[in-house]
Parts: sequence; C-alpha cells; structure tokens
Amino acid sequence: AQSVSQHNHHVILSEAASLELGCNYSYGGTVNLFWYVQYPGQHLQLLLKYFSGDPLVKGIKGFEAEFIKSKFSFNLRKPSVQWSDTAEYFCAVIRTDSWGKLQFGAGTQVVVTP
Amino acid sequence: DTAVSQTPKYLVTQMGNDKSIKCEQNLGHDTMYWYKQDSKKFLKIMFSYNNKELIINETVPNRFSPKSPDKAHLNLHINSLELGDSAVYFCASSPNTDTQYFGPGTRLTVL
Repeated sequence: AQSVSQHNHHVILSEAASLELGCNYSYGGTVNLFWYVQYPGQHLQLLLKYFSGDPLVKGIKGFEAEFIKSKFSFNLRKPSVQWSDTAEYFCAVIRTDSWGKLQFGAGTQVVVTP
Repeated sequence: DTAVSQTPKYLVTQMGNDKSIKCEQNLGHDTMYWYKQDSKKFLKIMFSYNNKELIINETVPNRFSPKSPDKAHLNLHINSLELGDSAVYFCASSPNTDTQYFGPGTRLTVL
C-alpha cells in the first residue's frame, strides 16, 4: 500500500530562519504531489503542487518544493519564515491511476517564534 | 465567493443520534470528497463521488452514508453516532484528479 511519510512531527524555529520539511512516498508509479497548509482553526489551503516538468516548483507565500524522483521525495522549503507561517503542513500524494484518492502524510506542526 | 462550503461548522450531539453534514461547491468540479481529520490532525479520505457516482469508499462503517443529489452537492449522513466519530470532517472538490479544494470543515463532537 502507498504511504506518505513526513519526517518531522513538530518544528519550532525563530522568525527569519530557514525551513525545510521532508516528505517521502512509497509508490513507484506516476504521482501528483501537493503541499497543503492548515492555519490554526482553518481549512486546508494549497501551497504548491507538482504534476510534471521542472522538479522545482514555486508556490504561494514564498514556499518552494523540489521533487526528486530517485528519492521519492518532495521536500518543502522556505528561506526565511515569518510568525504568520505558524501552521500545520501536509504533504499529499495522488497516484495518477487512483481517481483522486489523495493520501496525506501525518502533518508537521510548525511554530515560528517572534 | 465561497468555493466549497459546508454546514454546519460545529455540530455537538449525543451518542446514538443521527446527523447530516452538507457540502456544496460552486467551482463546477466533477468530483467531490469527504475526509475525516482525527484529533491528531491525521487526514483520511472516506468517500469520493464523480458526477453523482460513488468511486471511492474507504472501509468506512456503513453508518456513514454519502449522498450526492447533483454534482455540486455531496452530503454525509451518519447514523447511530459513536464517540469515535468525533472529528473534523472536510469536504473537497476537484476537476477529476487535479487539485482538490477544501471546505472549511465541520467539527463534530459526540458526547
């Protein structure tokens, strides 16, 4: 069965620090990859996605992610975080043959301190 | 404009009751979904409908019954509520297997 692993469950960092969140998936076929963010008390919002093409994708709010096919990874990065980036971050994967069955990682809670 | 909306936002009820959550999307998408987010924030798909037809049913107890009267609506009815049903339920929609857009969630608390 396919699984999605996020390496860190909780991350605490100071404003202006750089952020990198790891995500690995276990399916060997073609996948579409996503990062979603959930701010406290809010619904999931799409940060960025990768379907094909340039493996380095840029999203909203200064986030980017790199797809490394050989490592089955899709890590999220932001060079300099702000307090407003405090949120839960979810990596998600869809197999292109799975009719939209989005599989989520367990999430990483990121807390940015002023 | 609200893209994916859910009602109610909060639902508090007693064990054994039957309740429904409604979802509507105005994005013109063909596919709609229900997800459950547990207390540890883990998200798991429950159901998916494409053009009113059930296409994903993820080993959910049959106390949960989705209904799609048209492709813009996907409701979730839950019979005989149990304590373990307490969670946040998210509806989502997508144009087939493309990006899914999520609703604001319904926090269900079963007492």
